[in-house]
Amino acid sequence: GAVVSQHPSWVICKSGTSVKIECRSLDFQATTMFWYRQFPKQSLMLMATSNEGSKATYEQGVEKDKFLINHASLTLSTLTVTSAHPEDSSFYICSAPTSGLYNEQFFGPGTRLTVL
Amino acid sequence: AQSVTQPDIHITVSEGASLELRCNYSYGATPYLFWYVQSPGQGLQLLLKYFSGDTLVQGIKGFEAEFKRSQSSFNLRKPSVHWSDAAEYFCAVGLTGGGNKLTFGTGTQLKVEL
Repeated sequence: GAVVSQHPSWVICKSGTSVKIECRSLDFQATTMFWYRQFPKQSLMLMATSNEGSKATYEQGVEKDKFLINHASLTLSTLTVTSAHPEDSSFYICSAPTSGLYNEQFFGPGTRLTVL
Repeated sequence: AQSVTQPDIHITVSEGASLELRCNYSYGATPYLFWYVQSPGQGLQLLLKYFSGDTLVQGIKGFEAEFKRSQSSFNLRKPSVHWSDAAEYFCAVGLTGGGNKLTFGTGTQLKVEL
């Protein structure tokens, strides 16, 4: 099946710094990618929809200035956590659907962000 | 708004025993239904999905799920659990016109006793 990679797999940063997380579809093109946030022992919460060549669509309650999303190409979406604070510590997961309606989505392995 | 409920946070079964993980959804129409498994260090993997047609769906790794419209349920089953099935299981729904967006349940952590 298709593969989605994320980089880095884990990152530790100081409070106030920005962190960029990459999501790549390795063997297929994805005009849309999704970014999720998962707290320990909790479900995945959709943060935003990343659209290639246009602005991301954010879910209600997600600060677009805090979580900057760029979908620069058909295989790469980036999530930048700006001015990170300890409450931003979480597990961030991206996914990319194949073409068509509700065809299988492929998920990245996730990025563990810890803000000190 | 639609919601997905997985009533069981943790389930422990003995290896070789049968398994049923519950999932209920709340939505006016029949959504697209999915079961995913999450293992540590790995991305979510699709076990099976239901769009329409036969309400009993077969998936990978010996899993199956049955869609019951009257109960708004999509329970996941496996007749004989293997130790390697220990993982977190998520039920998810997608909506017509939802643009491929998924709403996930809170997950069920499966522990398998040898």
